[in-house]
Amino acid sequence: QKEVEQDPGPLSVPEGAIVSLNCTYSNSAFQYFMWYRQYSRKGPELLMYTYSSGNKEDGRFTAQVDKSSKYISLFIRDSQPSDSATYLCAMSHIILTGGGNKLTFGTGTQLKVEL
Amino acid sequence: KAGVTQTPRYLIKTRGQQVTLSCSPISGHRSVSWYQQTPGQGLQFLFEYFSETQRNKGNFPGRFSGRQFSNSRSEMNVSTLELGDSALYLCASSFTAGGRNEQFFGPGTRLTVL
Repeated sequence: QKEVEQDPGPLSVPEGAIVSLNCTYSNSAFQYFMWYRQYSRKGPELLMYTYSSGNKEDGRFTAQVDKSSKYISLFIRDSQPSDSATYLCAMSHIILTGGGNKLTFGTGTQLKVEL
Repeated sequence: KAGVTQTPRYLIKTRGQQVTLSCSPISGHRSVSWYQQTPGQGLQFLFEYFSETQRNKGNFPGRFSGRQFSNSRSEMNVSTLELGDSALYLCASSFTAGGRNEQFFGPGTRLTVL
């Protein structure tokens, strides 16, 4: 079983819809949660960064973390065709020996927003 | 502020050759991490360097190695290339201070092994 599970999609929605993207995880040591957006043939772009449980909003994007359920979500309001991309969740924990961190990624959900 | 840069952007090699990829982090960032992205396995962590020292390592064979220079620039080397090494290799830099550890990615180097 993978540490981070993410539905690969593809997910197709009409322009203006609210999009919900989700990941579940099994490692209770994860403390930092991120969402990245990756356009075709580009590197991942950091969208949201959260620590511990709760909600964080940034423009049309809202990230939710529920550590008790080991479940994170990204909501996109008023979706646009330019939001069409692959969305990757990523998580990390503090590595006590030597410090630093490594990201564990979900497989990514491919989103298409249609006109 | 300039982002993470990676060179070259594309590489074609044959089996058995070796390759060196380069990464320049965001100015002021001292941590550089490398990831391999393939359609089948997704994004997988290779290793992280901080202050010229390898701080963390993923589950990759010893053919994959790296180093970091005093200016925080990093190189990754893959020796004895195999067909399965064809992938997008991504570098990410991070400030890692004050509890913040966001990683910012470069555009990647797409390696094709024939």
